[in-house]
Amino acid sequence: GENVEQHPSTLSVQEGDSAVIKCTYSDSASNYFPWYKQELGKRPQLIIDIRSNVGEKKDQRIAVTLNKTAKHFSLHITETQPEDSAVYFCAASIWDTGRRALTFGSGTRLQVQP
Amino acid sequence: SAVISQKPSRDICQRGTSLTIQCQVDSQVTMMFWYRQQPGQSLTLIATANQGSEATYESGFVIDKFPISRPNLTFSTLTVSNMSPEDSSIYLCSVEGVIGKTQYFGPGTRLLVL
Repeated sequence: GENVEQHPSTLSVQEGDSAVIKCTYSDSASNYFPWYKQELGKRPQLIIDIRSNVGEKKDQRIAVTLNKTAKHFSLHITETQPEDSAVYFCAASIWDTGRRALTFGSGTRLQVQP
Repeated sequence: SAVISQKPSRDICQRGTSLTIQCQVDSQVTMMFWYRQQPGQSLTLIATANQGSEATYESGFVIDKFPISRPNLTFSTLTVSNMSPEDSSIYLCSVEGVIGKTQYFGPGTRLLVL
């Protein structure tokens, strides 16, 4: 089955700096890669996703890049703000088949220092 | 996105007992999933709840321990049977959105087993 590895496990940045979280996946058939943000005591919230037919996607301060050959994808947050502090999870799935369940990475705790 | 609710939001149970968690969606959805998130950990898929047929369980999860029902396209239940302290966790249902098959999570059920 699919295996998703995520690094780093913790990340501390100064407000205004950029943050990068990286994930690798094992199943070359995976073609859908969402990122979730989970604040303490809350449900995971989808912040951005990318499908394998594109290499990059941006949404304001958030961007995701995908390298299918190397089987890795990354989350980039620019101009970080204290409210970006949370745990971020990457995930992978095969979205166009019967099995569309997500396999999650282990999570990255991002702390943005004011 | 769909509005997802779960009941109960939290519970404290005695070992050896069972708890049934409900997941209700405000619109019909094709795919529903149940995940477990142990304290400080990532999300692990328990099973895919199939409407009108038996759930599809992931490795390490069995129907006798986690029976699942899905009587229609808006509702599912997960039962945690014969509970032990190791079952203390957050249990989350997720549903697949109509557009792009993105997954959205319910608020979760926090379970503590004494």
